[in-house]
Amino acid sequence: KQEVTQIPAALSVPEGENLVLNCSFTDSAIYNLQWFRQDPGKGLTSLLLIQSSQREQTSGRLNASLDKSSGRSTLYIAASQPGDSATYLCAATVNRGSGNTGKLIFGQGTTLQVKP
Amino acid sequence: KAGVTQTPRYLIKTRGQQVTLSCSPISGHRSVSWYQQTPGQGLQFLFEYFSETQRNKGNFPGRFSGRQFSNSRSEMNVSTLELGDSALYLCASSLGGGRTDTQYFGPGTRLTVL
Repeated sequence: KQEVTQIPAALSVPEGENLVLNCSFTDSAIYNLQWFRQDPGKGLTSLLLIQSSQREQTSGRLNASLDKSSGRSTLYIAASQPGDSATYLCAATVNRGSGNTGKLIFGQGTTLQVKP
Repeated sequence: KAGVTQTPRYLIKTRGQQVTLSCSPISGHRSVSWYQQTPGQGLQFLFEYFSETQRNKGNFPGRFSGRQFSNSRSEMNVSTLELGDSALYLCASSLGGGRTDTQYFGPGTRLTVL
């Protein structure tokens, strides 16, 4: 059974700092891994999708990496800003027994606060 | 292009009642998935629909059901509500619902059961 874990649960950094959020998964047979952002009381915004054949994806100040062999993904945020404050969730799509479906298994999220 | 819309945004019900939530996917998307989000359990998969057929189902009791219409809009129904059903219910749409597709989430419906 695939389990996704995110550590730490919360993180507070000063504005301008570069930071890394961690995501680990127990079953390396993932099909892809997505990073989402969730603002309080809101839905999820997709940030980056990494296919299992890829090592990383970049969008602006965000860079996500995937290492299937170690069961880890990281989200790197460069030059953090107060507007980056939100909860960041990673989610894996499993490659076993679920057919071609998009079922996502989520981590519990890391709540990031960027202080001005 | 309009995003995923969910109605209603907020709902208050009492134990034993039933509730129906609605989700309209992005135009052209044929897959809709539903998730329940609670502080204790986080985000959990409920079910996925593609072309009016349930393609995958999570580990929830039979009180939770759903359906998809020919225009890809989806509804989920929860019967005999329990206090523990209080949660944010999110739906997500994607083009084909396959494992390569990015999923786009709606704003959610906040259900409170009293």
